[in-house]
Amino acid sequence: DAGVTQSPTHLIKTRGQQVTLRCSPKSGHDTVSWYQQALGQGPQFIFQYYEEEERQRGNFPDRFSGHQFPNYSSELNVNALLLGDSALYLCASSDLGSHSGANVLTFGAGSRLTVL
Amino acid sequence: ELKVEQNPLFLSMQEGKNYTIYCNYSTTSDRLYWYRQDPGKSLESLFVLLSNGAVKQEGRLMASLDTKARLSTLHITAAVHDLSATYFCAPARGSGGSNYKLTFGKGTLLTVNP
Repeated sequence: DAGVTQSPTHLIKTRGQQVTLRCSPKSGHDTVSWYQQALGQGPQFIFQYYEEEERQRGNFPDRFSGHQFPNYSSELNVNALLLGDSALYLCASSDLGSHSGANVLTFGAGSRLTVL
Repeated sequence: ELKVEQNPLFLSMQEGKNYTIYCNYSTTSDRLYWYRQDPGKSLESLFVLLSNGAVKQEGRLMASLDTKARLSTLHITAAVHDLSATYFCAPARGSGGSNYKLTFGKGTLLTVNP
């Protein structure tokens, strides 16, 4: 059973460019959340998608946008990149419809973005 | 805004010793997660604590939750080198029609020395 898969694993961009990161959730999961993890810090919540809609959003500017597709996969887009956007971007999936109670988020390996 | 404080941030311990990592959070949360992260890797789920007084144990790790004190602890018993990693606590809130949003602490970098 494949877990959460993310692509690309590494990428380098320059300031002002735009980037798209992709995520396929774990089989059976319908909710995707994105987190940004700066070096030496804990992950920070960016936003969450369910039923192709953004359901919750953290304190990130509008330069960060996303999308969820009918097959539950998701994209994170960042426009007008800044040096401070350099980080590991983690995708996590879960099953909103689950009634098991635990509702554990499963994280992917991440996409490491470097902005020069 | 939910704030999370973990301490210590850095912990160096000898194999065979016991120690506790503390996680304090500022406002009411529905549940609390503990994750482990190895260098350059993603996050691995350790525990989910769902209610006040919850205690869970796996191997040499035991986690507990006191929602009244807004405190969770991760106790390490007889540490071994393989436990060296960064440990994060993350209280979580859910809202109607949405899944849980985790707020992570800064993490505790644990190094277990021979």
